[in-house]
Amino acid sequence: GEDVEQSLFLSVREGDSSVINCTYTDSSSTYLYWYKQEPGAGLQLLTYIFSNMDMKQDQRLTVLLNKKDKHLSLRIADTQTGDSAIYFCAERGGSQGNLIFGKGTKLSVKP
Amino acid sequence: KAGVTQTPRYLIKTRGQQVTLSCSPISGHRSVSWYQQTPGQGLQFLFEYFSETQRNKGNFPGRFSGRQFSNSRSEMNVSTLELGDSALYLCASSLASNGGGRGANVLTFGAGSRLTVL
Repeated sequence: GEDVEQSLFLSVREGDSSVINCTYTDSSSTYLYWYKQEPGAGLQLLTYIFSNMDMKQDQRLTVLLNKKDKHLSLRIADTQTGDSAIYFCAERGGSQGNLIFGKGTKLSVKP
Repeated sequence: KAGVTQTPRYLIKTRGQQVTLSCSPISGHRSVSWYQQTPGQGLQFLFEYFSETQRNKGNFPGRFSGRQFSNSRSEMNVSTLELGDSALYLCASSLASNGGGRGANVLTFGAGSRLTVL
């Protein structure tokens, strides 16, 4: 079945770049998404990428997609303490098209 | 434009009771999806409703049910609560159904309903 894998933790210093990685299994996924969850809150969409694209840039965020390896990454430039949160990768796949999420990567930003 | 509203935000129940959670989608959105979030299992898909019809269901027991009204508002119900049902229940709305939309059909999430079962 479909599965999405992420590393659970990432720690960086303020001002550095953060790279969060994700692998997925469903090669028929049409869109892939990155969501952010802050404590006590729901999920906030950060960005998404269509499967025929290799890269998408949106201000401090850069998404890279390697469809051959089924690997997705999110790079956050100039990481700030306000970026501390859990980041979820999700694929739109399966026979019914519902979103399948990874377990989330907790990003800690140290001043 | 109002976001997705979930009520109640917090609730405490005891084993064996039942609970009903409510979700009001963004105006104009016709699809509502429900997810259960726990530390161990992460985000798991419960079901999706579109135009008052259940379109898709995840791998949860029949104690979990839902419905959607003509104004697209949705409710989910959990009967005979178990300790393991303690979780954050998230609802998300989108314009089109998960399997039928064109484009990214982005899900917009509410803040969730945190259920504690004692």
